[in-house]
Amino acid sequence: DSGVTQTPKHLITATGQRVTLRCSPRSGDLSVYWYQQSLDQGLQFLIQYYNGEERAKGNILERFSAQQFPDLHSELNLSSLELGDSALYFCASSVMVGGDTQYFGPGTRLTVL
Amino acid sequence: AQSVTQPDIHITVSEGASLELRCNYSYGATPYLFWYVQSPGQGLQLLLKYFSGDTLVQGIKGFEAEFKRSQSSFNLRKPSVHWSDAAEYFCAVAPDSSYKLIFGSGTRLLVRP
Repeated sequence: DSGVTQTPKHLITATGQRVTLRCSPRSGDLSVYWYQQSLDQGLQFLIQYYNGEERAKGNILERFSAQQFPDLHSELNLSSLELGDSALYFCASSVMVGGDTQYFGPGTRLTVL
Repeated sequence: AQSVTQPDIHITVSEGASLELRCNYSYGATPYLFWYVQSPGQGLQLLLKYFSGDTLVQGIKGFEAEFKRSQSSFNLRKPSVHWSDAAEYFCAVAPDSSYKLIFGSGTRLLVRP
């Protein structure tokens, strides 16, 4: 158990819908990262927050957004969902803003029908 | 562009045999290097990491990895594989002043009884 929690574990929804994935980092960690794992793209970095502020963006679609709240939990919002958004979404956390070990949560499996 | 190459998509070994999983990276400086393992339906678990210092690093579950600067490699080894080691293994790099992990495409390990 890494100490990072993600909810829900599974999510099934339809195209065009909007969903919110939630992540709680390890106690004491200030950085939260979101990654997407899909069969065709592999594991890809989406976005990072540090202590409530966005610090870096990766291959994140404009339909996707995230935020980190004062209690340091984070939410990833996915809208106008497409079939291709079906993937495993991981949250990771670390103490520092970068160059640090990231600990991963169990992931949320999103299925878009 | 920074990249991580895991040339072996699948590797099959017999239980008790030794294992080496290959990882090569493309980056100008020495990045932070990681190996993660993902069991079916599970998140990513950190096996070991290299930041600096001794180029042979020990990890959990009896794994070790050796950083070779001249070859831009960070291969993972285990002297005797157990059936429970069957999983997918990911090599990842984090550039020195960066934030995101860049993952290889993974190597799926199958263990023959």
